[in-house]
Amino acid sequence: EDKVVQSPLSLVVHEGDTVTLNCSYEVTNFRSLLWYKQEKKAPTFLFMLTSSGIEKKSGRLSSILDKKELFSILNITATQTGDSAVYLCAVGGLLPDNYGQNFVFGPGTRLSVLP
Amino acid sequence: DVKVTQSSRYLVKRTGEKVFLECVQDMDHENMFWYRQDPGLGLRLIYFSYDVKMKEKGDIPEGYSVSREKKERFSLILESASTNQTSMYLCASRTLGTSGNEQFFGPGTRLTVL
Repeated sequence: EDKVVQSPLSLVVHEGDTVTLNCSYEVTNFRSLLWYKQEKKAPTFLFMLTSSGIEKKSGRLSSILDKKELFSILNITATQTGDSAVYLCAVGGLLPDNYGQNFVFGPGTRLSVLP
Repeated sequence: DVKVTQSSRYLVKRTGEKVFLECVQDMDHENMFWYRQDPGLGLRLIYFSYDVKMKEKGDIPEGYSVSREKKERFSLILESASTNQTSMYLCASRTLGTSGNEQFFGPGTRLTVL
């Protein structure tokens, strides 16, 4: 059964701290791993990772994938109160007949950044 | 800019009622998905459709059905709503064959079944 595990489930830090969020997975026919940020409404896309060892960066956020050990990390440096959100990891496995991907979502990490 | 819209932001229904949740996307995406989100459980896939009139069960299809008569519209149907279907429902769409693979989400429908 496909599975995505995120840790920690909840994290409280102060502004300026650096955080590392973890996502490990077991997915049949892995194709991609996606990170989303969810505040009050629907998730917004952050990164897509398909290759091991290649870091993706966007401002203070960065992410990397290890396909051998089946995990990814999301780093946020110099955190701000606006980073407070639930961070979701989703892993895409190839559908039968190579017809696109099905995504399995983890439970999310709730990050709270205090002033 | 991709837009995914859902027919209602908030919905309150009674046990046993038939409920329709509508999702429309305007980017000609082939794949569409329905998820429900519950505290501590993350997003769970109910059904998905990878093209018109095609549908596949996700992880928790029981108590739900779907309809995809047109490419832009994917409907989630609760034939007889029950209190354990109180949840946030999220629709998403995605196009095939691109390097993006990101899913674009609608704003969500918060359904309460009394």
